[in-house]
Amino acid sequence: GAVVSQHPSRVICKSGTSVKIECRSLDFQATTMFWYRQFPKQSLMLMATSNEGSKATYEQGVEKDKFLINHASLTLSTLTVTSAHPEDSSFYICSAYVGGEGTDTQYFGPGTRLTVL
Amino acid sequence: ELKVEQNPLFLSMQEGKNYTIYCNYSTTSDRLYWYRQDPGKSLESLFVLLSNGAVKQEGRLMASLDTKARLSTLHITAAVHDLSATYFCAVGQGGFGNEKLTFGTGTRLTIIP
Repeated sequence: GAVVSQHPSRVICKSGTSVKIECRSLDFQATTMFWYRQFPKQSLMLMATSNEGSKATYEQGVEKDKFLINHASLTLSTLTVTSAHPEDSSFYICSAYVGGEGTDTQYFGPGTRLTVL
Repeated sequence: ELKVEQNPLFLSMQEGKNYTIYCNYSTTSDRLYWYRQDPGKSLESLFVLLSNGAVKQEGRLMASLDTKARLSTLHITAAVHDLSATYFCAVGQGGFGNEKLTFGTGTRLTIIP
């Protein structure tokens, strides 16, 4: 099956700093990647849809200037949390879309746990 | 706005028993997914249901979809401890290459020996 990696798996940073999270599709090309956020013991919330070579599409209520998404290649999307604050602490999960009629699905990365002190 | 609700939110059951998790959604969808999440881990795909009446089974888990009722079920047969996890359903909207997922609230399942 398709494999998606994320780096780092865990990050602790000070308030006010920026953190970059990478999402890579290892054995396939993904024109579309998604970024989700999950607070403890809650469900996943879609933050944005990342399309290779174009601007990301953000969901309502997600600040695009705070959560910068870049999808520079067919195998890499990055999420940068700018000027992080403790309320940004969360589990961030990316997924990469594998298309094809009848096999349409998203493959999820292992997640990145961000803790902002 | 699409809403996806699961019930129960918490489920504690004894090994060997059967139970069903329900997933209701509020608008027409293209696909229905079931995922498993272990503590501190990401999502593991279990099933994708593509059409009304679809039924899929893997081991002790069976998922079904009724698009007219906007309801999907995940049935657990003769539960074992390894099935303890949080289960999410997710509704997919949008065509191929453009699908967005809206996740349900999750059901935290604990199997008691």
